[in-house]
Amino acid sequence: ELKVEQNPLFLSMQEGKNYTIYCNYSTTSDRLYWYRQDPGKSLESLFVLLSNGAVKQEGRLMASLDTKARLSTLHITAAVHDLSATYFCAVDIGGGSNYKLTFGKGTLLTVNP
Amino acid sequence: DAGITQSPRHKVTETGTPVTLRCHQTENHRYMYWYRQDPGHGLRLIHYSYGVKDTDKGEVSDGYSVSRSKTEDFLLTLESATSSQTSVYFCAINHDRGLSPQHFGDGTRLSIL
Repeated sequence: ELKVEQNPLFLSMQEGKNYTIYCNYSTTSDRLYWYRQDPGKSLESLFVLLSNGAVKQEGRLMASLDTKARLSTLHITAAVHDLSATYFCAVDIGGGSNYKLTFGKGTLLTVNP
Repeated sequence: DAGITQSPRHKVTETGTPVTLRCHQTENHRYMYWYRQDPGHGLRLIHYSYGVKDTDKGEVSDGYSVSRSKTEDFLLTLESATSSQTSVYFCAINHDRGLSPQHFGDGTRLSIL
């Protein structure tokens, strides 16, 4: 059974600071996804990482994937209040003709002024 | 907006009653998914479909059934609702087996009293 662990689960940070969210998974996979969810809203896709060493950046967020270590990171640079949300990583375990995701429990990020 | 509509958006019902949630897409995507989201658990896959009449179980499928008689509709049924099925239910779609992210609907908030 695939396990996907995120840490920290809760993160309170000041504006302007940097921090990293970690996503570890227990089974071989080379597909990992990051999503953002605002309170009471749906999930919004942030990044799709499809190979070892993949790095994607959008604004103040950068995601990377190390398939050998079974680890993905979401790095936040110079945080701003608008980044406050819950962030989920998800790993593809489907294989073959199927495709399905296992999600981490999410990291609740609060950026304080 | 990825063209996904969930209905109803909110529902309150009593234990033991049948409940059907509908996910409708206008994207002609092959893959469709039902998840539930509960505090402390992230998103958990209930059932998914990889084509018309082709469905499979996810990690929390007990007490749920699904049907997909046409590409655009994926129905989730709780045959006899229990209080433990109180949750927020999300539908998601994908067309290319993970090369792009799953896109999520706005969710259905279901309360079972």
